[in-house]
Amino acid sequence: RKEVEQDPGPFNVPEGATVAFNCTYSNSASQSFFWYRQDCRKEPKLLMSVYSSGNEDGRFTAQLNRASQYISLLIRDSKLSDSATYLCVVKGGITGGGNKLTFGTGTQLKVEL
Amino acid sequence: EAGVTQFPSHSVIEKGQTVTLRCDPISGHDNLYWYRRVMGKEIKFLLHFVKESKQDESGMPNNRFLAERTGGTYSTLKVQPAELEDSGVYFCASSSQGGQPQHFGDGTRLSIL
Repeated sequence: RKEVEQDPGPFNVPEGATVAFNCTYSNSASQSFFWYRQDCRKEPKLLMSVYSSGNEDGRFTAQLNRASQYISLLIRDSKLSDSATYLCVVKGGITGGGNKLTFGTGTQLKVEL
Repeated sequence: EAGVTQFPSHSVIEKGQTVTLRCDPISGHDNLYWYRRVMGKEIKFLLHFVKESKQDESGMPNNRFLAERTGGTYSTLKVQPAELEDSGVYFCASSSQGGQPQHFGDGTRLSIL
């Protein structure tokens, strides 16, 4: 079983749509959670951190459920420029500690006219 | 502020040869990480430096890989001898402190023929 599992993609949505990505993680000792965005053949870039209380940054809302070990990302009013691969990332691996990031395989989003 | 820079951006070598990748972290960042993504797989952690010391090298695949960070500034990752399965994109990231967000370089695309 992968340490971080994400929805398979691609997600093809029309501009203006709301799209949700889900992710589960296996290590209950993980401490920090993130969504990264990766454009084609580019480096991963931090989109936002994820907290149990939920956090919002403009059109993006992230949520963490520690009991279910579940992370979500909601994108409202999607734009063409949102097209990218979204990576669910957890800090800490099977051993439970450290600062290493554990990545999901990513979910590809394509926003279309 | 200059970001994380990696060199070369691409490298194509034959099986059995040696390749050295370089990473320059953001100035003042003590924490430096190496990750790699092989075809079709998720990005995986290789190792973590704090200044010149290896904090965690649990992700290094085998003894053909050698990472150094003499002087605690830039880092090199040497693969000797390279094998076909080493092909992939090697990312470097840095952070000011262990708990801070990691900023990624553009990566080195390594192809072993």
